[in-house]
Amino acid sequence: AQRVTQPEKLLSVFKGAPVELKCNYSYSGSPELFWYVQYSRQRLQLLLRHISRESIKGFTADLNKGETSFHLKKPFAQEEDSAMYYCALTNTNAGKSTFGDGTTLTVKP
Amino acid sequence: DADVTQTPRNRITKTGKRIMLECSQTKGHDRMYWYRQDPGLGLRLIYYSFDVKDINKGEISDGYSVSRQAQAKFSLSLESAIPNQTALYFCATSDPGQGLLFGPGTRLTVT
Repeated sequence: AQRVTQPEKLLSVFKGAPVELKCNYSYSGSPELFWYVQYSRQRLQLLLRHISRESIKGFTADLNKGETSFHLKKPFAQEEDSAMYYCALTNTNAGKSTFGDGTTLTVKP
Repeated sequence: DADVTQTPRNRITKTGKRIMLECSQTKGHDRMYWYRQDPGLGLRLIYYSFDVKDINKGEISDGYSVSRQAQAKFSLSLESAIPNQTALYFCATSDPGQGLLFGPGTRLTVT
């Protein structure tokens, strides 16, 4: 069975501070991991894929297979980063994605 | 133009009524999904389809049915709506390995 855990439901930081949103997973195969973001009153959208190792809007995420983690990081948070963030794991063979419960990030001025 | 559209965007219905939520995509993807979002529970998969002839149950399919009318269309039906089906419903599509592309969501309230 695959499972995604986001331990923090709410996270609040000040503008300019570093931010880390935690994601841990359990999966017996080789995982495909993603971060999605949902801004207020907008649809969910893909933020990052682990396989692409890219930085989007200043966010990065590194897959740590030893710790089964895929934490999302940004060195200097901005107010426009305030949103709900979801970590998701895709079972490559079955083509299904499992989502964590989400973390609401608030960046205060 | 949006790649994934959903209709209606908002719907209020009564217990016991049948309701259909519709989803269309212009990406030409074979894979389509229906998810339900509840506060504090993340997104949970209801049904998914990998082509027109392929329909699969997700983790919470009870009380729901789907129809894949064409590659571009995937509808979700609640045969007899109940209040605990009040939620935000998202349709999504994907190419393998590319992540999900979501629709704008349908907010359903069952009274």
